[in-house]
Amino acid sequence: EPEVTQTPSHQVTQMGQEVILRCVPISNHLYFYWYRQILGQKVEFLVSFYNNEISEKSEIFDDQFSVERPDGSNFTLKIRSTKLEDSAMYFCASSGQLDTEAFFGQGTRLTVV
Amino acid sequence: KNEVEQSPQNLTAQEGEFITINCSYSVGISALHWLQQHPGGGIVSLFMLSSGKKKHGRLIATINIQEKHSSLHITASHPRDSAVYICAVRSGGGADGLTFGKGTHLIIQP
Repeated sequence: EPEVTQTPSHQVTQMGQEVILRCVPISNHLYFYWYRQILGQKVEFLVSFYNNEISEKSEIFDDQFSVERPDGSNFTLKIRSTKLEDSAMYFCASSGQLDTEAFFGQGTRLTVV
Repeated sequence: KNEVEQSPQNLTAQEGEFITINCSYSVGISALHWLQQHPGGGIVSLFMLSSGKKKHGRLIATINIQEKHSSLHITASHPRDSAVYICAVRSGGGADGLTFGKGTHLIIQP
């Protein structure tokens, strides 16, 4: 069964460092998303990506965040200068069309120290 | 902005019981998702609904668009059903991401 894969599963970084979270969506999907879940809280939308550009982004997705699909398979989330409050589980998701089943990766747990 | 409310927040039941988890939202939607999150953190899609009812094995999901309400039912519950069940909606328009509820933490005791 096709799946969304995320790497690494866990990343620890120093405050102020840049991190790149990687995702490989399902190959024929067109819509890609990043979400985050701070420990004990609900999942929150960060950004959606379609046709090689950002489609929508939330208030959380400020200038320190960026996304790329550099090679047609990987989908990355970069956090330029991490803060303690960026510590969370980050989920990548993809779907074939709008309003079809969403497939989620297993998540990357980011810990900023 | 859509507000998604789930009830109950926590539910403990005995194996075999019929389980109902409710979700309501405040603004019209294009789709509603029911998701399952296990303790390890991974999220699995159970259903995507825009109207009516869907069934998969022991799971049934219904949605009432007029009342802005959906329910997830589990028949003949089993300890392996223990997980957090999350309702999430897409409000439509562009490729907006999902707005999530806080989840219902379900424990099925043997």
